[in-house]
Amino acid sequence: GAGVSQSPRYKVAKRGQDVALRCDPISGHVSLFWYQQALGQGPEFLTYFQNEAQLDKSGLPSDRFFAERPEGSVSTLKIQRTQQEDSAVYLCASSKRGRSYNEQFFGPGTRLTVL
Amino acid sequence: GESVGLHLPTLSVQEGDNSIINCAYSNSASDYFIWYKQESGKGPQFIIDIRSNMDKRQGQRVTVLLNKTVKHLSLQIAATQPGDSAVYFCAETGSGNTGKLIFGQGTTLQVKP
Repeated sequence: GAGVSQSPRYKVAKRGQDVALRCDPISGHVSLFWYQQALGQGPEFLTYFQNEAQLDKSGLPSDRFFAERPEGSVSTLKIQRTQQEDSAVYLCASSKRGRSYNEQFFGPGTRLTVL
Repeated sequence: GESVGLHLPTLSVQEGDNSIINCAYSNSASDYFIWYKQESGKGPQFIIDIRSNMDKRQGQRVTVLLNKTVKHLSLQIAATQPGDSAVYFCAETGSGNTGKLIFGQGTTLQVKP
């Protein structure tokens, strides 16, 4: 079927606003990852889910960032009280199993601009 | 901390030539490495991977070489085409087993017609 999809593709927020970014992984994929990619940089890990369980959130930069995957499929990354330094592309990736030797399929990303 | 870096930020090659993109990694416990291609406005696209028990792996027009002695990874693209123009990232999974990836900064490959 389709690959990983993300919405919205572009989001402009005023500083202090809350935003919610959605990820639809490939159907049946157990693992889901969120990455943050600043302009001109490689993606940086934010958090990891295996089914509905958030097993690693060590990359979340502050307590303003929150992610969930309540039914083990769609995931939402929420950023509260956005700051200018939150401006980046947020990438979602999924993989078939919960092990390291698994290809991760990336979505197109959501470009967040905080004014 | 863990880091993955690239030697050259931009590589310019003539169409039809071979390209070599290099990458250094710092975590000797890393056991899985991946090369991704990212075009403008798109997410990273898997190219090829290699496990630490291998030195070389070949795909279609691409070869990845792993030198664990000096912690060096390279991507070779044969007969480079204009469609190969993109940013290339190497990534490693570090010492964990969750599959989270640690990316390098990226090399821009420009193919001249």
